[in-house]
Amino acid sequence: AQSVSQHNHHVILSEAASLELGCNYSYGGTVNLFWYVQYPGQHLQLLLKYFSGDPLVKGIKGFEAEFIKSKFSFNLRKPSVQWSDTAEYFCAGFWNTGKLIFGQGTTLQVKP
Amino acid sequence: EAGVVQSPRYKIIEKKQPVAFWCNPISGHNTLYWYLQNLGQGPELLIRYENEEAVDDSQLPKDRFSAERLKGVDSTLKIQPAELGDSAVYLCASSPGTGWNEGEQFFGPGTRLTVL
Repeated sequence: AQSVSQHNHHVILSEAASLELGCNYSYGGTVNLFWYVQYPGQHLQLLLKYFSGDPLVKGIKGFEAEFIKSKFSFNLRKPSVQWSDTAEYFCAGFWNTGKLIFGQGTTLQVKP
Repeated sequence: EAGVVQSPRYKIIEKKQPVAFWCNPISGHNTLYWYLQNLGQGPELLIRYENEEAVDDSQLPKDRFSAERLKGVDSTLKIQPAELGDSAVYLCASSPGTGWNEGEQFFGPGTRLTVL
């Protein structure tokens, strides 16, 4: 069965630090990959997505992610985090089963 | 454009009582999803609708959970009777796409259910 795993459950950073959140997906054929974010008190929203083509995808608010097929990874990065990036981040994969499968989520806390 | 609307936002009930959640998707979105999110976990799909047809309900515990989307727009998810383990956030989402584009979904604020 397809699955998505996120390595870090809770990350604490100071403002201006660089961020990298790990995400691995299981092999299951062609996959579309997503990062969703949930800011405190808000609903889940799409941060960025990878369907095909350039493996480095850019999303909103300066986030980017790199699809590395050989490593089954889709890590999220940001060179310099801000306090407003405090949120929960979910990696998700979509295979031809028609089901969006989420990782466990990573809580990011940015200290001002 | 209005987002996905859910009500109620919070619900507290005693075990064995029934409860219902309502969802209104984004206008024009034919695909609607109900997810269950436990604390510290990612959302897990309960049921997926394409218009009024439930095309994937394999994860829905049918002994106590039911859902409907009668006119292909609003949807209701019901639990009867509720158990302590049902305490969670119930999310509704909709998607404008079909096939491979379904991964991009728009989520509502969720209903936080507490069963005492």
